[in-house]
Amino acid sequence: DAKTTQPPSMDCAEGRAANLPCNHSTISGNEYVYWYRQIHSQGPQYIIHGLKNNETNEMASLIITEDRKSSTLILPHATLRDTAVYYCIDSANFGNEKLTFGTGTRLTIIP
Amino acid sequence: DADVTQTPRNRITKTGKRIMLECSQTKGHDRMYWYRQDPGLGLRLIYYSFDVKDINKGEISDGYSVSRQAQAKFSLSLESAIPNQTALYFCATSDLAGTGMTDTQYFGPGTRLTVL
Repeated sequence: DAKTTQPPSMDCAEGRAANLPCNHSTISGNEYVYWYRQIHSQGPQYIIHGLKNNETNEMASLIITEDRKSSTLILPHATLRDTAVYYCIDSANFGNEKLTFGTGTRLTIIP
Repeated sequence: DADVTQTPRNRITKTGKRIMLECSQTKGHDRMYWYRQDPGLGLRLIYYSFDVKDINKGEISDGYSVSRQAQAKFSLSLESAIPNQTALYFCATSDLAGTGMTDTQYFGPGTRLTVL
């Protein structure tokens, strides 16, 4: 099974950049990396996804290493509303019967 | 996401009762999913449907059944509820686009189910 590894928790000061790492060493060539977040018991929210190039949208940036075995989600100016659990998912987890979220990283933004 | 709605939002029931959770979407997506989430755990897939005529079991389908009444509606049933089905339940939709495995999912607000 494809599998991602994330630290269980992280803190970040408000206004600073939050950098969330993810290891996906078994990712294969045509698989994407997706990031979602879940704010306290709400439905998960899509953030960004990428294949091999770095990506940026209005919410975040995604930096993928050249070997594609790891990535970093960057929230450039974290606010208190960014406190959430962040899930990194590789796309072997989509489109087939093994759709699985891991336990993610609990990011706490400190005032 | 207001485009995916779930009813009820909260439900308390007793062991042995039949319960139906409903999900509706206005996104026009073909794919719909049911997940459950337990405290401290990630989401686990119960069932998924890639179109109205396609229903598939997820990793934890035992004790659950589903019905895809239309493209926009996907219901989850617990035929005889038991306490360990107490959890937060999420519905999601997606619309596979492009080549390869790209599949952004959009989640509903969740249903908190308690089985006594």
